[in-house]
This record gives sequence, structure tokens and C-alpha cells, in this order.
Amino acid sequence: AQKITQTQPGMFVQEKEAVTLDCTYDTSDPSYGLFWYKQPSSGEMIFLIYQGSYDQQNATEGRYSLNFQKARKSANLVISASQLGDSAMYFCAMRVFNAGNMLTFGGGTRLMVKP
Amino acid sequence: EADIYQTPRYLVIGTGKKITLECSQTMGHDKMYWYQQDPGMELHLIHYSYGVNSTEKGDLSSESTVSRIRTEHFPLTLESARPSHTSQYLCASRPGHRYEQYFGPGTRLTVT
Repeated sequence: AQKITQTQPGMFVQEKEAVTLDCTYDTSDPSYGLFWYKQPSSGEMIFLIYQGSYDQQNATEGRYSLNFQKARKSANLVISASQLGDSAMYFCAMRVFNAGNMLTFGGGTRLMVKP
Repeated sequence: EADIYQTPRYLVIGTGKKITLECSQTMGHDKMYWYQQDPGMELHLIHYSYGVNSTEKGDLSSESTVSRIRTEHFPLTLESARPSHTSQYLCASRPGHRYEQYFGPGTRLTVT
């Protein structure tokens, strides 16, 4: 069975500073991928970044980067230069090839950016 | 990026009513999904479809049903709404050659 754990229910960060959101995962399947989604208060889920288990380099998308440490089974999201609009819930999710590539979500982290 | 639409955005309905939550996408994605999410909590997969006339139940048991008669349309129906169905329902889709799912804006359902 797959599991995603996000241990930080809520976090504060000062505007313009960097912040790391933690995500650990558990799977025995060698083929899997990790995602991060952002959910503002309006409710929609916005795809941010993806990292496959066989990808050699850590994924980056603009101000978002994924710190993938396979041996530790962690896939932390780093947001550089935080903006007020980054305040939202952030969900880590995993797909596993042998589970039909369905997404399993973590419990989320609420990020609040202070001006 | 997918264009995926859900209606209604908000719905308040009485116990026992039949409701259908609509989901449509314009990108021709084969794979579509329905998730249920309580406020501030994780998403749980309740239904998915790999194409026309294909529907499967997800990990979370649900009293809802779905249909997939057309590629772009994946409605979810509750035959008899109950207060325990109060939640947000999110629809998503993805193309076959990519893993990331694209989500609609969600429907916030309240059953009184």
C-alpha cells in the first residue's frame, strides 16, 4: 500500500523568504512519481511540479523546486522568494505504476505568508 | 493545460433529493477522476474512468454513481442525498501520456 505523510499542518513564512514543505512517502514499487499541488481558499487544485522515481535531477518549475531524496523517501517542496499569493494549502501526492498510477494524497500543509 | 469545468460550484440541497454533479473537459483526455474532500483534509478517490463506457470505484466507498457516455463528460449522481454527503467534490482528468491530473474548480455540496 502507498502512503504519503505531511508532518507540518501549518507553517508561516515571511514574504520574500524561502520555505520548505516536507513530504515523505512509502512504497515498495520501483516505478512511482511525486507531485505537489496547491489549493487556494477558492478550492481548485493547481498542479505545481512532478518528479519521477527514475529522474536523475531534481525537478524545478519557476520558484518551485522538488528536493527528491530517494534513500530517505522524501520529496520536499521548496518555494523560493515567497509571495502573499502563495498562501494556500499544499498537498503532496504519489502515483505508483503497479497501482494503476492512481494518486494518493497526503494530509496537506497550510502555508501562510506574512507581509 | 486542461480546461475542465464543474457545475454547480455550490449546492445546498435537502435530504433525499437526487442530484447530479457535472464535469466536462475540452482536451480530449481519456482518463477522468472524481475525488471527495472534506474541508482542510486530503483528497480521496471515489470514481475513475479510463475512457468511454469504462467506470470503476475508487479507494473510498461512495454511494454515488458515475457514467462516461462521452469522452468529455463524466457526471456524478447521488440518488438520495444525505447530510453525510456534505463535502467538496473535485473532478480531474489527464491525458494518457502524462501523469499529472488537472482539476476542475470543485463543487461544494451541503445536504441539510
